[in-house]
Amino acid sequence: ETGVTQSPTHLIKTRGQQVTLRCSSQSGHNTVSWYQQALGQGPQFIFQYYREEENGRGNFPPRFSGLQFPNYSSELNVNALELDDSALYLCASSLMFVGQGNTGELFFGEGSRLTVL
Amino acid sequence: QKEVEQNSGPLSVPEGAIASLNCTYSDRGSQSFFWYRQYSGKSPELIMSIYSNGDKEDGRFTAQLNKASQYVSLLIRDSQPSDSATYLCAAPLGGGRRALTFGSGTRLQVQP
Repeated sequence: ETGVTQSPTHLIKTRGQQVTLRCSSQSGHNTVSWYQQALGQGPQFIFQYYREEENGRGNFPPRFSGLQFPNYSSELNVNALELDDSALYLCASSLMFVGQGNTGELFFGEGSRLTVL
Repeated sequence: QKEVEQNSGPLSVPEGAIASLNCTYSDRGSQSFFWYRQYSGKSPELIMSIYSNGDKEDGRFTAQLNKASQYVSLLIRDSQPSDSATYLCAAPLGGGRRALTFGSGTRLQVQP
């Protein structure tokens, strides 16, 4: 178990609705990244947060947004849901800087499975 | 766009055999690579990381990196049915981001 927790684990929404997914990072980790994993695909990088600011973004539209809080927990918000947003959303925590035994590996939570009808 | 490519499989091997999983990458500047295992319906779990050319062994797992040919492989010796999962190869996105780009994964089936 990685110590990264996500909620909710499953949810169903309809097209056009909005959703908020939550993530608590592993103790001591200051960086959170979010990934979308469609069925049969590898995870796709959405964005990353470090020190409460977005620190990199993948090829996702602005209706995907996020937040990081002072305790390093994070939220992913998706507006105007589309059918193609149905996927497993993964949160991963890590340390930003490598060194002293930390090689920057990502540790994933169990994910939030979103179904858009 | 940095890419990591994997054969989607399924790769089917008998119990006790060696499973060989391969991955190629496009960015010659990539310095580190990771293998994650993902059971159906679960999240990815890190099983191996490799940073330098050559082999790195951990129990039944051996990761191999060849930077000149831009490929990474994972060997699983004495394969067990519990090894049946999707194996994801990943490389850093770089650009100051502590994030990874993943291949689409290879599904491994170990037949009892």
